[in-house]
Amino acid sequence: DAKTTQPPSMDCAEGRAANLPCNHSTISGNEYVYWYRQIHSQGPQYIIHGLKNNETNEMASLIITEDRKSSTLILPHATLRDTAVYYCIVTDFNKFYFGSGTKLNVKP
Amino acid sequence: DSGVTQTPKHLITATGQRVTLRCSPRSGDLSVYWYQQSLDQGLQFLIQYYNGEERAKGNILERFSAQQFPDLHSELNLSSLELGDSALYFCASSVEAGRETQYFGPGTRLLVL
Repeated sequence: DAKTTQPPSMDCAEGRAANLPCNHSTISGNEYVYWYRQIHSQGPQYIIHGLKNNETNEMASLIITEDRKSSTLILPHATLRDTAVYYCIVTDFNKFYFGSGTKLNVKP
Repeated sequence: DSGVTQTPKHLITATGQRVTLRCSPRSGDLSVYWYQQSLDQGLQFLIQYYNGEERAKGNILERFSAQQFPDLHSELNLSSLELGDSALYFCASSVEAGRETQYFGPGTRLLVL
């Protein structure tokens, strides 16, 4: 059911920017792109979302391509506490489909 | 802390038994969602309630049921439990049922022996 494709894992050095890609080539016009993360077995934590414009908040930036078929989540200065599984979700708000996500390993 | 609370944190029971998981949404949120996360599967959407009424259904088994009460807390009832029902169960809430961000609780870990 997931409408997104993400790499299963990525590494990032502490203090560097982490760029997590997501493909959602079948996204339709009224669907939003959401990003959540899950640290260990805790409840998923909301990070950011967008429709077509780039978005930034205190946690991250979201870059959505002009054709909306892919997006990138950017953590500008990754810390060890950012090690988690990151989920990219496309939703029209009727249902949220969580795929397998990307396991981000932040290394010292 | 998302403001969503779930009880109990852990639950151990036997096959064939019935359990109830409880969720209190964030203050002011009208919509509640239930998810299941098994070891070999990702987060699976089960069901959504909005202001006491069922709004959307996902991959919820017939042995499972849920309800949302007038005070907006929700309960997920799991019956005739099987080993495969062992999982993390998360509740999420949002203000409305439309274009709203979901905020997740800490989950209930269910172990069926």
